[in-house]
Amino acid sequence: EIVMTQSPATLSVSPGERATLSCRASQSVSSNLAWYQQKPGQAPRLLIYAASTRATGIPARFSGSGSGTEFTLTISSLQSEDFAVYYCQQYNTWPRDTFGQGTKLEIK
Amino acid sequence: EVQLVESGGGLVQPGGSLRLSCAASGFSIRSYAMHWVRQAPGKGLEHVSAISSDGGSTYYGNSVKGRFTISRDNTKNTLYLQMGSLRVDDMAVYYCAGGVGGSYSNWGQGTLVTVSS
Repeated sequence: EIVMTQSPATLSVSPGERATLSCRASQSVSSNLAWYQQKPGQAPRLLIYAASTRATGIPARFSGSGSGTEFTLTISSLQSEDFAVYYCQQYNTWPRDTFGQGTKLEIK
Repeated sequence: EVQLVESGGGLVQPGGSLRLSCAASGFSIRSYAMHWVRQAPGKGLEHVSAISSDGGSTYYGNSVKGRFTISRDNTKNTLYLQMGSLRVDDMAVYYCAGGVGGSYSNWGQGTLVTVSS
């Protein structure tokens, strides 16, 4: 099983600043990586797929990069609605998809 | 509007069974691989089970293998998860999800399964 490790576990950032979240895979997943946002009491929402492609309706301040084992989600200028938990997911070994443990993005 | 709606969750005793359903509307699931993902209280996301678009291939996580069965009825546009021999550590919100290409673009709102005596 591919293990996905996210860092940091919690990230404190002020509104308007940039946030950078990391995700590392225990072996290469090529570009088969997605990012999801989850707010309390809600289902996850797809933000990024194929490592760097924004899903429909996702604002341009969200961007993804990386390939192989190292990936990054960047939020360029944090808005109040962006404070949430973010998960990465690899689907290179479908159907044995795996999720990272999540990064909580909180207001500084 | 694209929508997935789960049902069938509830309170069950350890060792009991439940059948979850996930009804799709606004799109046809026949083109999608479908998944069940669960989230225990205060925890992260766990991929529980998956089924290919035609139902010919299935996957189960180690924690549920031999106890859960995933199935689909494309004519009814519905996904199912039959859960048996339920344990306390199966307690979670169960989401159905699906999408093209491996990522999950569509999610239901989740259904809560509580396992307690």
